[in-house]
Amino acid sequence: EVQLVESGGGLVKPGGSLRLSCAASGFTFSGYYMNWVRQAPGKGLEWVSSINPRSTSIYYADSLKGRFTISRDDANKSLFLEMDTLSVDDTAVYYCARSAGAPGLFDYWGQGSLVTVSS
Amino acid sequence: DIQMTQSPSSLSASVGDRVTITCRASQDISYYLAWYQQKPGKVPKLLIYSVSTLQTGVPSRFSGSGAGTDFTLTINSLQPEDVATYYCQKYHSVPYTFGPGTKLEIK
Repeated sequence: EVQLVESGGGLVKPGGSLRLSCAASGFTFSGYYMNWVRQAPGKGLEWVSSINPRSTSIYYADSLKGRFTISRDDANKSLFLEMDTLSVDDTAVYYCARSAGAPGLFDYWGQGSLVTVSS
Repeated sequence: DIQMTQSPSSLSASVGDRVTITCRASQDISYYLAWYQQKPGKVPKLLIYSVSTLQTGVPSRFSGSGAGTDFTLTINSLQPEDVATYYCQKYHSVPYTFGPGTKLEIK
């Protein structure tokens, strides 16, 4: 059974940093594109970032302005999102999602990790 | 970047009704269009990809159609468990943009 479990969310002050993790199981993690998608409270879905197997192709939403860094550890079946210079607009549930076939198609999602940016 | 729009933003229908949700892309996205269902308080779920291919386990009352820039999600015989927000998404290239969502309720 495919499982994705996010961790690392919490309350952080504006300008602060946070690192999210996603532990994967039930599939060959090293063979799949992985992604982060976020959802602000009461809002829609927003794609954040994607990383391919072996980390040779990495993509970010333009709105992040270089503040976020995606990475992966295939040996430990983990995906990460390093978030810097956080603002209140980054408050959201952050989902880890696996790509199915096409890189931008997300077939399995984690339960999400809430990041709250507030003073 | 290609923008995705959806209509209506919300709708209310009765059990057994046929429901149609429309998604439009600002440029041709070929067949790289997916639909996701997010039930209240739940995680998004992939419903349809490649415009009309149902993900495994999705009931056959769901169907998708369209091409290029205009797409439709249809639910035949609406069921109470279909209450959710539905999002379309383009996935042929970054950014993998989602539509704003259509909230579906039961009358």
